[in-house]
Amino acid sequence: EIVMTQTPHSLPVTVGQPASISCRSSQSLAHSDGNTYLSWLQQRPGQPPRVLIYKTSNRVSGVPDRFSGSGAGTDFTLEISRVDPEDAGIYYCMQVTQFPHVYTFGQGTKLEIK
Amino acid sequence: QVQLVQSGAEVKKPGSSVKVSCKASGDTFPYAISWVRQAPGQGLEWMGRLISVFGLPNYAQNFQGRVTITADKSTSTAYMELYSLTFEDTAVYYCAAEKDYGHFYFDFWGQGTLVTVSS
Repeated sequence: EIVMTQTPHSLPVTVGQPASISCRSSQSLAHSDGNTYLSWLQQRPGQPPRVLIYKTSNRVSGVPDRFSGSGAGTDFTLEISRVDPEDAGIYYCMQVTQFPHVYTFGQGTKLEIK
Repeated sequence: QVQLVQSGAEVKKPGSSVKVSCKASGDTFPYAISWVRQAPGQGLEWMGRLISVFGLPNYAQNFQGRVTITADKSTSTAYMELYSLTFEDTAVYYCAAEKDYGHFYFDFWGQGTLVTVSS
């Protein structure tokens, strides 16, 4: 079973400053098709999660370009270039194993505005 | 676009079961639907997934033998039934859809269904 570890658990950020969240997996997430199915989700209070980034670095349509994803193998990062007040919430990374397709979430990182 | 609308909140007794529905509306029925739960103040936990085209489910190891995920394409509705409930099953249960083959991420989410297990 793949374990996803996110750091930090809590991230206080001033508006306009950058933010970075790390996600590390217990084994490589690369699939034999050449893709790495690592996604990032945002959950605002009282709402269901929504996807921001898929396949490590692809931003979903409508997501502000201040969000970016990077990484490979076992180490992945979500970066926010300039934090906006609406970015407050909990961020999760999620991976999918090749077969059987098992989905695993990181434990979450709470981003709060200072 | 796909909208997922889930059934309402449930209160159940320990040892009983609960069945939550998730009705999809929009372009086409999603390629796959997963169920994800979130205990109060906790993170997200994947329970299982159903590929709607084939009707083949796969479940997280933690839920094997205790959950059944089905879909009725004629009504565009997916279901998650969880058995032998304990207090630890109190959570918000979400359905989450993958629009197309090969996405392996959740394009759409239901609004969530609170299941409370209480004696």
